[in-house]
Amino acid sequence: EDQVTQSPEALRLQEGESSSLNCSYTVSGLRGLFWYRQDPGKGPEFLFTLYSAGEEKEKERLKATLTKKESFLHITAPKPEDSATYLCAVQGDTGFQKLVFGTGTRLLVSP
Amino acid sequence: DTGVSQNPRHKITKRGQNVTFRCDPISEHNRLYWYRQTLGQGPEFLTYFQNEAQLEKSRLLSDRFSAERPKGSFSTLEIQRTEQGDSAMYLCASSFTGASNQPQHFGDGTRLSIL
Repeated sequence: EDQVTQSPEALRLQEGESSSLNCSYTVSGLRGLFWYRQDPGKGPEFLFTLYSAGEEKEKERLKATLTKKESFLHITAPKPEDSATYLCAVQGDTGFQKLVFGTGTRLLVSP
Repeated sequence: DTGVSQNPRHKITKRGQNVTFRCDPISEHNRLYWYRQTLGQGPEFLTYFQNEAQLEKSRLLSDRFSAERPKGSFSTLEIQRTEQGDSAMYLCASSFTGASNQPQHFGDGTRLSIL
């Protein structure tokens, strides 16, 4: 069964203090690993898709990387508006379309 | 670009009542998904449609739950005889069928509270 574990559960940073979020996964044939951002009371907002080990994607202060067992979301010089829950999800090759999500990392960036 | 739209945003009902939620996907997307999310957890997959065909259902989708997507456009999720454990955020997502796996784009959900 596909499984995703995210760490840490919560992370508090000062504005400008860079850090990384971890997503460890087990999946029967990775078709895609997805990062989402979720604000309170809102649905997840798509950030990145990674398809194969070694791939990297960047968007503003965020950079996602992928290995065969885990993915990292690096946050460089975060701002208070980066505060949110970051969700990682995998899609396996069982032929189905479902995403299997982790429980997320709650990020709080203080000014 | 209109995103995924879900209605109502909030629903409060008594235990045992039936409820129905609606999802309008992004117009050019032919895949539609329903997920359920409880506090502190990630979304859990419920069911998936390609056009009007329901192609996958999770074991979480008991026989009290039914989803439809007539004409391959909007979708409805109905819960019959609601129970306390049904309290959650119900999320809808849609995606475009392309050559590679397309990301799923989510609406802002319907929050269901069972009294």
